Amino acid sequence: GAVVSQHPSRVICKSGTSVKIECRSLDFQATTMFWYRQFPKKSLMLMATSNEGSKATYEQGVEKDKFLINHASLTLSTLTVTSAHPEDSSFYICSAREGNTGELFFGEGSRLTVL
Amino acid sequence: QKEVEQDPGPLSVPEGAIVSLNCTYSNSAFQYFMWYRQYSRKGPELLMYTYSSGNKEDGRFTAQVDKSSKYISLFIRDSQPSDSATYLCAMSAAGEGRLAFGKGNQVVVIP
Repeated sequence: GAVVSQHPSRVICKSGTSVKIECRSLDFQATTMFWYRQFPKKSLMLMATSNEGSKATYEQGVEKDKFLINHASLTLSTLTVTSAHPEDSSFYICSAREGNTGELFFGEGSRLTVL
Repeated sequence: QKEVEQDPGPLSVPEGAIVSLNCTYSNSAFQYFMWYRQYSRKGPELLMYTYSSGNKEDGRFTAQVDKSSKYISLFIRDSQPSDSATYLCAMSAAGEGRLAFGKGNQVVVIP
């Protein structure tokens, strides 16, 4: 099946710094990618929809200046957590929609810990 | 009322038993129905993908969609300890990018 690669899988950073997470579709082109956040024992929460070549669409309550999303190519979307704080510590997951079937494939997730 | 309701469990079954999971939903526009499996500290992986009503079988897994009742099910036959994971249902409307997720159902298969 289609593969979505997410990097890094784990990152620890100091409060106030910025962290970039990459999401790549390895064997298909994804015009649309999604970014989710998952708290322990909770379901996935959609943060934003990333469309190649245009601005991301953020869900209500998600700060667009804090969570910068760039979808520069059909195979890469990035999420940058700016000026990270401990409350930003979470599991961030991306997904990409395969164009022909419409199936959604997820990355392995990135665990962010802000000290 | 939430868009998707899924009893979070947990559900413990002995090895070899049939696991039965289900979700209900309220949005009649949903046409794509998915089940994801998520192991601890990993991202969700797609298990089953169904368009509209009907049944779909893949190995030990069977997905059922009943749009008239707004009810979907996942059955796992001959369950194995390796099936122990959280199972999430998800659905979307045609032409929409966002998925509505259930809370997830933790399943434990006891050897």
